[in-house]
Amino acid sequence: DTAVSQTPKYLVTQMGNDKSIKCEQNLGHDTMYWYKQDSKKFLKIMFSYNNKELIINETVPNRFSPKSPDKAHLNLHINSLELGDSAVYFCASSQGGQAGGQYFGPGTRLTVT
Amino acid sequence: GIQVEQSPPDLILQEGANSTLRCNFSDSVNNLQWFHQNPWGQLINLFYIPSGTKQNGRLSATTVATERYSLLYISSSQTTDSGVYFCAVAGTGGFKTIFGAGTRLFVKA
Repeated sequence: DTAVSQTPKYLVTQMGNDKSIKCEQNLGHDTMYWYKQDSKKFLKIMFSYNNKELIINETVPNRFSPKSPDKAHLNLHINSLELGDSAVYFCASSQGGQAGGQYFGPGTRLTVT
Repeated sequence: GIQVEQSPPDLILQEGANSTLRCNFSDSVNNLQWFHQNPWGQLINLFYIPSGTKQNGRLSATTVATERYSLLYISSSQTTDSGVYFCAVAGTGGFKTIFGAGTRLFVKA
């Protein structure tokens, strides 16, 4: 069983479209995250949810909207996609903020043309 | 916010060699992790080590929180160790994780 899974793995779309990425974890963790990795491999946190409550929102354009229907799922919806949104998006989970480490999904490579 | 600096930025090793990667951070942290991103892009949690020393096989890590640095030791390197090694820290609360720019390691056969 995959601990943290994301779908889709690859996403190619045109500017202006709306797309969603789904994330699920089966580790029983109460905290989930979205990260963006750019072409230079730099990783930056976007959002964090703890017990379905948004606790971190890092100056992300409001075209990005996370949604956590339950503690095991965190989805990312992106409206009006732009060229600059092309990146790899990683979902991760952990138990709280200070216990143990974070476990990452395989990533979703988003290409906007 | 907390600044994280990793060194060296790039490292080329001959298989079998040992290496030390360093992570410096600018403020007190409650959470420090080391990750390996393999050539296929998967991020693997190596150590959760806010303080002290841990070992896992050929890898070990030491964090000296009072001096604001952490070290990752790789012994008897193998080609499968190639990839990018990231240090990530979080301050109070532990939820806002800041990643360093990484150390790109290439191990030659």
